[in-house]
Amino acid sequence: ETGVTQTPRHLVMGMTNKKSLKCEQHLGHNAMYWYKQSAKKPLELMFVYSLEERVENNSVPSRFSPECPNSSHLFLHLHTLQPEDSALYLCASSQEPSGEHEQFFGPGTRLTVL
Amino acid sequence: GENVEQHPSTLSVQEGDSAVIKCTYSDSASNYFPWYKQELGKRPQLIIDIRSNVGEKKDQRIAVTLNKTAKHFSLHITETQPEDSAVYFCAASKGGGADGLTFGKGTHLIIQP
Repeated sequence: ETGVTQTPRHLVMGMTNKKSLKCEQHLGHNAMYWYKQSAKKPLELMFVYSLEERVENNSVPSRFSPECPNSSHLFLHLHTLQPEDSALYLCASSQEPSGEHEQFFGPGTRLTVL
Repeated sequence: GENVEQHPSTLSVQEGDSAVIKCTYSDSASNYFPWYKQELGKRPQLIIDIRSNVGEKKDQRIAVTLNKTAKHFSLHITETQPEDSAVYFCAASKGGGADGLTFGKGTHLIIQP
């Protein structure tokens, strides 16, 4: 698959588990993002990375921990989540981190927290 | 920070009719306004965007208009077709800085045959 890929596509976890979401972009972009998409809510920006450095953290709870080891890979480490964290987590990338570049989204990970 | 309001949340139109989705934004410094389309079970994809130095932009059956004074922008789809059924998101950004996009809540567009 080309573009932006995410694994796993579906994840069910208990509140005491630790899991990680993975995103990979094959577009040569310099910026990557994590978004949370819940029903009846707008897409919520969680983290922005530019050239592996985090440039934005929209007051996301510490139970979400991002990691960007290189410009092509982005992880979201999850621990002690709450049921209200159940949502679709979307990764995106763009050529540059400024908001005026098209963002290319991955297929998302559907997360269910029991 | 920026706040984007989008209306309506659901819009049902007959096939062949036009559809209009409206958004307002709060930060007068915003200067870039993209629209994304998300089909059921798929990822959001950019369909059209407009920058603040332009009042209107067209691409075949879709167009976007921007009123900077009133801080609102709209998506217009003409001659709607079944494949237009999706959720549409508007967004706003100040561009330049690494502040990402602020999205509206989305409009579920339903095309009735």
